[in-house]
Amino acid sequence: NAGVTQTPKFRILKIGQSMTLQCTQDMNHNYMYWYRQDPGMGLKLIYYSVGAGITDKGEVPNGYNVSRSTTEDFPLRLELAAPSQTSVYFCASSSPINLGSPLHFGNGTRLTVT
Amino acid sequence: AQSVTQLGSHVSVSEGALVLLRCNYSSSVPPYLFWYVQYPNQGLQLLLKYTSAATLVKGINGFEAEFKKSETSFHLTKPSAHMSDAAEYFCAVSDRSGTASKLTFGTGTRLQVTL
Repeated sequence: NAGVTQTPKFRILKIGQSMTLQCTQDMNHNYMYWYRQDPGMGLKLIYYSVGAGITDKGEVPNGYNVSRSTTEDFPLRLELAAPSQTSVYFCASSSPINLGSPLHFGNGTRLTVT
Repeated sequence: AQSVTQLGSHVSVSEGALVLLRCNYSSSVPPYLFWYVQYPNQGLQLLLKYTSAATLVKGINGFEAEFKKSETSFHLTKPSAHMSDAAEYFCAVSDRSGTASKLTFGTGTRLQVTL
């Protein structure tokens, strides 16, 4: 019962580099989310998806892109990394939110951009 | 749009003392409400959730929360704190509409437990 798996756990990027944060879930959840967490700021929603082929912007989408080609995978792409993207990134998945389903979280990716 | 406010970014209690973490929500109709806990270097784990069946909700690790519509509150309590309860706690809300697709999180409360 792996749940939500995120890779890598840690990454250091130089300004201007790009990378993809991987997220996969084995619970057959249609809903998937990417959040970033900064100290004292709670969780900010970057992008989310309600099913394969469907994605939508959250509160802070600038500088990121996502795709959802399968139910299981929801990668987050950073193009032209900036110091402001230094953060901890969490992926989550759930069953339909309007039925009161909770989110299941991965253990996060800690990203530093220098 | 719904929102949640967590009063107090840091709360410190002695081991054995009552834990009270406050959460107020803003929503035109009673929403779904959740409490999550985050231990250091880990993701968030569900503590408990309110979906309308009962106003007093019991969760894991001895925590419970009471939904009070008149006060638009969903405060988290535990009668006796343990050192292992030291963590960050997040309140979250979602609505019940057919188009609901995401949770909104509070800014978190860090609980410190002292001897």
